[in-house]
Amino acid sequence: KNEVEQSPQNLTAQEGEFITINCSYSVGISALHWLQQHPGGGIVSLFMLSSGKKKHGRLIATINIQEKHSSLHITASHPRDSAVYICAVYGGATNKLIFGTGTLLAVQP
Amino acid sequence: EAGVVQSPRYKIIEKKQPVAFWCNPISGHNTLYWYRQNLGQGPELLIRYENEEAVDDSQLPKDRFSAERLKGVDSTLKIQPAELGDSAVYLCASSLGLATQTQYFGPGTRLLVL
Repeated sequence: KNEVEQSPQNLTAQEGEFITINCSYSVGISALHWLQQHPGGGIVSLFMLSSGKKKHGRLIATINIQEKHSSLHITASHPRDSAVYICAVYGGATNKLIFGTGTLLAVQP
Repeated sequence: EAGVVQSPRYKIIEKKQPVAFWCNPISGHNTLYWYRQNLGQGPELLIRYENEEAVDDSQLPKDRFSAERLKGVDSTLKIQPAELGDSAVYLCASSLGLATQTQYFGPGTRLLVL
């Protein structure tokens, strides 16, 4: 079992829909990243959070430390949001960045 | 401010050939990471540098992979000889410090071994 699990693995949405991507982890963490990776592109950090909630534009990230769970929400989704969204945690015995396998999001016009 | 720079962006080689990737981190970033990302998977850490010192290379296949960061700035990752299974995207990232600092990723080098 992976230490960081994401769901769903693949997600197709219509433009304008509200999107939620979930991340669960099994190790103790000090912080959690949400990252975005476009096809053929590099990885961009969207959020780093250790508690509560953060908002940037149409993106919202929440984390529940007790439940070891985080969600990434996209409001009013747009085709340009199509990308792989990766959850990564600083945690475990070595405090390395441990990555989930990503969620492939396709937003159709 | 320039981001993390990697070159080349793409490389196609035959198996058993050597290959090298170069990374220039964001200016002032002491920590440099090399990751390998296989298709459909998250990145996997290969090696982490603090300045010129490799502080974590436990996941680096040392029989064929080597890395250096001689002056604590740019870094080179080498594979010799390359195998078919080495086909992947090799990502470089940098951060100001070690613990829980935001990592900034380069565009990656996409390697195809034939």
